[in-house]
Amino acid sequence: DSGVTQTPKHLITATGQRVTLRCSPRSGDLSVYWYQQSLDQGLQFLIQYYNGEERAKGNILERFSAQQFPDLHSELNLSSLELGDSALYFCASSVADRATGELFFGEGSRLTVL
Amino acid sequence: GEDVEQSLFLSVREGDSSVINCTYTDSSSTYLYWYKQEPGAGLQLLTYIFSNMDMKQDQRLTVLLNKKDKHLSLRIADTQTGDSAIYFCAESIGDYKLSFGAGTTVTVRA
Repeated sequence: DSGVTQTPKHLITATGQRVTLRCSPRSGDLSVYWYQQSLDQGLQFLIQYYNGEERAKGNILERFSAQQFPDLHSELNLSSLELGDSALYFCASSVADRATGELFFGEGSRLTVL
Repeated sequence: GEDVEQSLFLSVREGDSSVINCTYTDSSSTYLYWYKQEPGAGLQLLTYIFSNMDMKQDQRLTVLLNKKDKHLSLRIADTQTGDSAIYFCAESIGDYKLSFGAGTTVTVRA
């Protein structure tokens, strides 16, 4: 158990819908990272937050947004969903604001878009 | 560029050594990592190497870094069935980002 909690574990929805994925980082960790894992794209970095502020952005689509709340949990919002958004979405956390140490990953939220 | 490349599959007999190879592109990467993903689980850090090192050994794991060729390898000695998993190579891109390879699925056969 990494200490990172992600909900829901599984989600099935239809194209055009909107979903919210939630992540609670390890106790004491201030950074939260979101990654998308799909069969054809591998593990893609989406976005990072540190103590409520956006720190780095990766290949995140404009239809996607994220935020980190004062209690440090984070939410990833995916809207106007397309079939290609079906993937495993991982949240990871770390103590530091820099990704030069160990990242602790949650078990992921599997999104299926039908 | 931010491409990390690794072979997709490796099959190894139990008790043999496994070698997983990876190439990366960012010569300024400070750290290089190996993560392991078991079925139904998130990624877990196995080991990492600082860019000024050539080799790091940690029990059954040996990491070799060839900075000139931007080549990283992970050797697992005496491979066990519990080592069956997906292994990801990752490089640090600047201070805030890790770029992962596609993962190598290691299958250990009896």
